[in-house]
Amino acid sequence: AQSVTQLGSHVSVSEGALVLLRCNYSSSVPPYLFWYVQYPNQGLQLLLKYTSAATLVKGINGFEAEFKKSETSFHLTKPSAHMSDAAEYFCAVTTTSGYSTLTFGKGTMLLVSP
Amino acid sequence: NAGVTQTPKFRVLKTGQSMTLLCAQDMNHEYMYWYRQDPGMGLRLIHYSVGEGTTAKGEVPDGYNVSRLKKQNFLLGLESAAPSQTSVYFCASSLRGGSGANVLTFGAGSRLTVL
Repeated sequence: AQSVTQLGSHVSVSEGALVLLRCNYSSSVPPYLFWYVQYPNQGLQLLLKYTSAATLVKGINGFEAEFKKSETSFHLTKPSAHMSDAAEYFCAVTTTSGYSTLTFGKGTMLLVSP
Repeated sequence: NAGVTQTPKFRVLKTGQSMTLLCAQDMNHEYMYWYRQDPGMGLRLIHYSVGEGTTAKGEVPDGYNVSRLKKQNFLLGLESAAPSQTSVYFCASSLRGGSGANVLTFGAGSRLTVL
């Protein structure tokens, strides 16, 4: 079984501040990890993914995430928040099993203030 | 390039009515999924399909049925709608599952209200 825990349903930052969204996973086999973003009234879009090639993964819009096996974490960061980053962010996990599906966390709403 | 298209976008039902949500993808993806999104619950998998003619239960399948008669279409049915099924429904597709290629492409969502 696999699961994802996102710490904090809401995170507030000021424009220009560091963004840190936390994700911890549980998986009995090596995981693949993803971050998706959902803007208001839209579907989800892929930000970045970890597939074991490199532990530091860079995504779109200046976001990156680091896979830390010892901490079972895959936290999302961005050095400087923009107003346009305000959205809901979802961490997700799947495994290398044949018919494994994607399991999502409950999401973290990022609020950016001027 | 349309990607994943869901119809309808909005629907209001009365308790006990039935309806079908249609999902269509034009990317020749093997896997298709139906999720529901509720505040504070994230996305929960209802049913999925690993290829034409196949379906499988996800995390919250009760009260829903699905069919995948054609590779490009995945239908989600509610036989007797209940207020607990008020939600936003998302269809997604992926090239395949269980690998780094398992990147999901999502539709824009269908908002269903059951009175």
